[in-house]
Amino acid sequence: AQSVSQHNHHVILSEAASLELGCNYSYGGTVNLFWYVQYPGQHLQLLLKYFSGDPLVKGIKGFEAEFIKSKFSFNLRKPSVQWSDTAEYFCAVNARRDTGRRALTFGSGTRLQVQP
Amino acid sequence: SAVISQKPSRDICQRGTSLTIQCQVDSQVTMMFWYRQQPGQSLTLIATANQGSEATYESGFVIDKFPISRPNLTFSTLTVSNMSPEDSSIYLCSVLGWDNTGELFFGEGSRLTVL
Repeated sequence: AQSVSQHNHHVILSEAASLELGCNYSYGGTVNLFWYVQYPGQHLQLLLKYFSGDPLVKGIKGFEAEFIKSKFSFNLRKPSVQWSDTAEYFCAVNARRDTGRRALTFGSGTRLQVQP
Repeated sequence: SAVISQKPSRDICQRGTSLTIQCQVDSQVTMMFWYRQQPGQSLTLIATANQGSEATYESGFVIDKFPISRPNLTFSTLTVSNMSPEDSSIYLCSVLGWDNTGELFFGEGSRLTVL
C-alpha cells in the first residue's frame, strides 16, 4: 500500500532561518503531490502542488517544493521563515488506493515552531 | 475553490451514543471524502462518499460504525456510531477540486470528544 513519510516530526527554528521539510512516498505509478498547512485553530489549506511539468513548484507565502522522481521525494523549502509560519505541515500524495479509487494519503505531519 | 460547512463544529458525547456530522458544500462536487484526524496524528481517510450509492470504505473502517449518506452533490453526512473514547477525533469533510489534480478542499472539521 502507498505511504507517505515525513521525517521531521517537530522542527524549531529562529526567524530568518532556512527551512527544509522532507517528504518521501512509496508508490510507483502516476502521482500528484501536495503540501498542506494547518495554522493553529484553522483548517487545512493548500500550500502548493505538483501535477506535471517543472518539478520545482512555487506556492504561497514564499514556499517551494521540488519533486525528485528518482528519489520519490517532494521536499518543502523556504529560504527565510517568519514567526507566522508556525503551523503543522502535511505532505500528501494523490494516487490510486487499494479500493481502486484515487484519494489523498497524508504524511504524519511536521510541526514547525518559529521563534521570534 | 469550494466553501465547506460542517455541523457541529464540536461536541462532547457520551460513550455508546451516536452522532451525525453534516457537511454542506456551496457548489456541486463529484467527489466527497471523510477523514479523521486523531489527536496529534495525521489525517486518515475513512471513506469516499458516493452520490446515490453506498460509500467506499478504506481498510479498517466499516459501514456499521461509520454510516455515510450522500443524497445529492452538495451534501453528505457521517455518523459515528456507538462511540467510545477512542473515537475522540476531528472529523473532516473534503471535496475534490475541479482542476483534476487531486487537490482537496477541507471544511473546518468537527471536533468530537467522547467521555
